[in-house]
Amino acid sequence: EAAVTQSPRSKVAVTGGKVTLSCHQTNNHDYMYWYRQDTGHGLRLIHYSYVADSTEKGDIPDGYKASRPSQENFSLILELASLSQTAVYFCASSGTEVFFGKGTRLTVV
Amino acid sequence: AQKVTQTQTSISVVEKTTVTMDCVYETRDSSYFLFWYKQTASGEIVFLIRQDSYKKENATVGHYSLNFQKPKSSIGLIITATQIEDSAVYFCAMREVDRGSALGRLHFGAGTQLIVIP
Repeated sequence: EAAVTQSPRSKVAVTGGKVTLSCHQTNNHDYMYWYRQDTGHGLRLIHYSYVADSTEKGDIPDGYKASRPSQENFSLILELASLSQTAVYFCASSGTEVFFGKGTRLTVV
Repeated sequence: AQKVTQTQTSISVVEKTTVTMDCVYETRDSSYFLFWYKQTASGEIVFLIRQDSYKKENATVGHYSLNFQKPKSSIGLIITATQIEDSAVYFCAMREVDRGSALGRLHFGAGTQLIVIP
């Protein structure tokens, strides 16, 4: 069964601090994505990757970095977390269909 | 420019009736893929159904079906015999071609909240 695992599932971070969100997939998929969802809104693409050691900017990359050290792992990094980055973050992997993780609720205070 | 648009923010229907959710998209690609996803109350995002642009026949999976109108760049989701558990937020999505591959980035609409009333 397709599996995308995100960690942590919930995090409270301090403004200006560094935050790393991790994602692991066991689907053998080349593509991985990080999306952001704000309350009552749809999903916006932050970064994505189609091969290890390479990442691409999505629609809202500012304030975020991404890292893809292996096919299975894809991280989202907030070097200097800000209040505006409070949101739910979803990781996904894809072959023909896209499979999502359960999300990480990030609160920046 | 917004690539996927869902204009219905919320729909309420009575249980066991049929509901249609609208979605329009923009693309310059001749070949693309369209999807509908459901986000449950727990936040989980679940794949429902897919339409390949080169297929004329509307996709059907269980009590979900699509109304694909390519000239109008429209992909409606139809749920027949709605159940209480169908209450959720439904997202339309389009997959671009990336680097010549069909496995490109996925663009989402803003979502439609469906409320099924007993």
